[in-house]
Amino acid sequence: GESVGLHLPTLSVQEGDNSIINCAYSNSASDYFIWYKQESGKGPQFIIDIRSNMDKRQGQRVTVLLNKTVKHLSLQIAATQPGDSAVYFCAENRGYGNKLVFGAGTILRVKS
Amino acid sequence: NAGVMQNPRHLVRRRGQEARLRCSPMKGHSHVYWYRQLPEEGLKFMVYLQKENIIDESGMPKERFSAEFPKEGPSILRIQQVVRGDSAAYFCASSPESSRTEAFFGQGTRLTVV
Repeated sequence: GESVGLHLPTLSVQEGDNSIINCAYSNSASDYFIWYKQESGKGPQFIIDIRSNMDKRQGQRVTVLLNKTVKHLSLQIAATQPGDSAVYFCAENRGYGNKLVFGAGTILRVKS
Repeated sequence: NAGVMQNPRHLVRRRGQEARLRCSPMKGHSHVYWYRQLPEEGLKFMVYLQKENIIDESGMPKERFSAEFPKEGPSILRIQQVVRGDSAAYFCASSPESSRTEAFFGQGTRLTVV
């Protein structure tokens, strides 16, 4: 079913540390996953994506890991910076086109 | 290359009025998606449109809500006889094709019903 979160989990990290944000998805048929970053008052911004035929993908300072066995997705941010502070959502692509099902989100707070 | 443009950014309506939200996709994109976001929640899919066609409206409330994407002009999400529970941020995303690719989001329209 859909994810609904009344109180988003919060991850607080020190500037320069690595961050790991986790996400569980529900549909084993989903074959495409995306991480989005959303800053206050703005729309979701694409960070990185991964297809189900992969278990790891790296971008600039970010890595996404996919474990299909336990239906788990994680986003790793290296050397976290204050500008990384935002809400992070995982999304799974189900069905036709680019219809996305979003997770509840995690607030990342970076302490200087 | 301008991104996905949504307007207005903020919209205030009294209960019972109509709200019209507009979305212009990125240049060259023919697929549009509308999502709704309540405070402290993730985005919820509403409807998927191509030019002049509704492909998937499984997330649209059965009454008062409608969407279109005409041959010319922006996509419109229309909410008739708004109620307080319609207050939310409404986001539009677009993509160039239907296959699994990145969808680009607009900045959203924040609807407040008073």
